[in-house]
Amino acid sequence: DIQMTQSPSSLSASVGDRVTITCQASQDISNYLNWYQQKPGKAPKLLIYDASNLETGVPSRFSGSGSGTDFTFTISSLQPEDIATYYCQQYDNLPITFGPGTKVDIK
Amino acid sequence: EVQLVQSGAEVKKPGESLKISCKGSGYSFTSYWIGWVRQMPGKGLEWMGIIYPGDSDTRYSPSFQGQVTISADKSISTAYLQWSSLKASDTAMYYCARPLHPSAGGAFDIWGQGTMVTVSS
Repeated sequence: DIQMTQSPSSLSASVGDRVTITCQASQDISNYLNWYQQKPGKAPKLLIYDASNLETGVPSRFSGSGSGTDFTFTISSLQPEDIATYYCQQYDNLPITFGPGTKVDIK
Repeated sequence: EVQLVQSGAEVKKPGESLKISCKGSGYSFTSYWIGWVRQMPGKGLEWMGIIYPGDSDTRYSPSFQGQVTISADKSISTAYLQWSSLKASDTAMYYCARPLHPSAGGAFDIWGQGTMVTVSS
């Protein structure tokens, strides 16, 4: 199985701050990497697919980059509604695997 | 509107069997894979497996192979996740999800609302 790691595991930032989360795969996954947002009590929501493509309807303050084994997810200006846990997910090989998540809250 | 609607919460005893469902609508159910994802209380997301309703081709995560059965009834656009003998450790929220593109992996853009399964004596 491909192992996914994320850092940090949690972070606290102020409204308007730039927030960056990194995700690393245990082997080359090309750009087969997606990012999800999950709010408490809700199903995950797809934000970024194929490493850098913004899902329809997702605000442009969210972005993603990277390829191979190292990926970055960025919120350019943190908003109160962005409080959530963020997961990366690879689909280069089955089984599909998720990162452990990064919990984001407001300072 | 494309959506997946899951069956309601379940409370079961250890050793009991269970089958939960996920009904798709608003799209060609037989053309897209449907995946199942487990989320244990306070924990992260775990991919369990995926089925192609068109021909019932099914792939399991090694972690769940033999522990659950994934199936689908294309005549009623419904996928299922079932257990033959539940354990307390099966207590979790279970989500079904459909990928953005008709491929086995991919990004899951449509999610069900989740089915909470509680197993307790």
